[in-house]
Amino acid sequence: EVQLVESGGGLVQPGGSLRLSCTASGFTFSTYSMNWVRQAPGEGLEWVSYISSASTSKHYADFVKGRFTISRDNAKNSLYLQMTSLRAEDTAVFYCVRGGYDTWRWGQGTLVTVSS
Amino acid sequence: DIQMTQSPSSLSASVGDRVTITCQASQDISNYLNWYQQKPGKAPKLLIYDASNLETGVPSRFSGSGSGTNFTVTISSLQPEDIATYFCQQFDNLPYSFGQGTKLEIK
Repeated sequence: EVQLVESGGGLVQPGGSLRLSCTASGFTFSTYSMNWVRQAPGEGLEWVSYISSASTSKHYADFVKGRFTISRDNAKNSLYLQMTSLRAEDTAVFYCVRGGYDTWRWGQGTLVTVSS
Repeated sequence: DIQMTQSPSSLSASVGDRVTITCQASQDISNYLNWYQQKPGKAPKLLIYDASNLETGVPSRFSGSGSGTNFTVTISSLQPEDIATYFCQQFDNLPYSFGQGTKLEIK
């Protein structure tokens, strides 16, 4: 069974940094592209970032370019999102999502709250 | 970037009703479309993948259709447990994008 478990969320002040992690199991992590998707409270879903299976291709939503960095460690079956210069509008549940041209699978999410 | 326009934004229906939600892509996305169901406090649950394929374990009252730019998800007979918000998502081109959601309520 595919499992994606996010961690690293929490309360951070505006302008601060946070690193999210996602541990994958139940599939061959190194062969799948991965994403981060977020959902602000009471709002819809927003795709944030994509990384290919071998990390050769990375893409970001315009609203995080230059602030967020996606990475992965295939030896550790792990996906990361380094977030800097955080803003109040970045407050959201962040989901780790396996997906590209294949069946999408979601983690349960980790809440990031940006507030002073 | 591909925009996904979902309608209606909210819908009230009775148990047993046939319910249809539509999603329109701003350009041809072939069949690279997913439909999700999301209940409060939970992660999105995949219902339909590749526009018309029912995810394992999803009740057969759910169905999806469409290709190119126009897509629908239909619930043939609405059940109380179907109360949720539904989202479409394109994965043909990066940046991937979602519809704004349809909140389904019982009348």
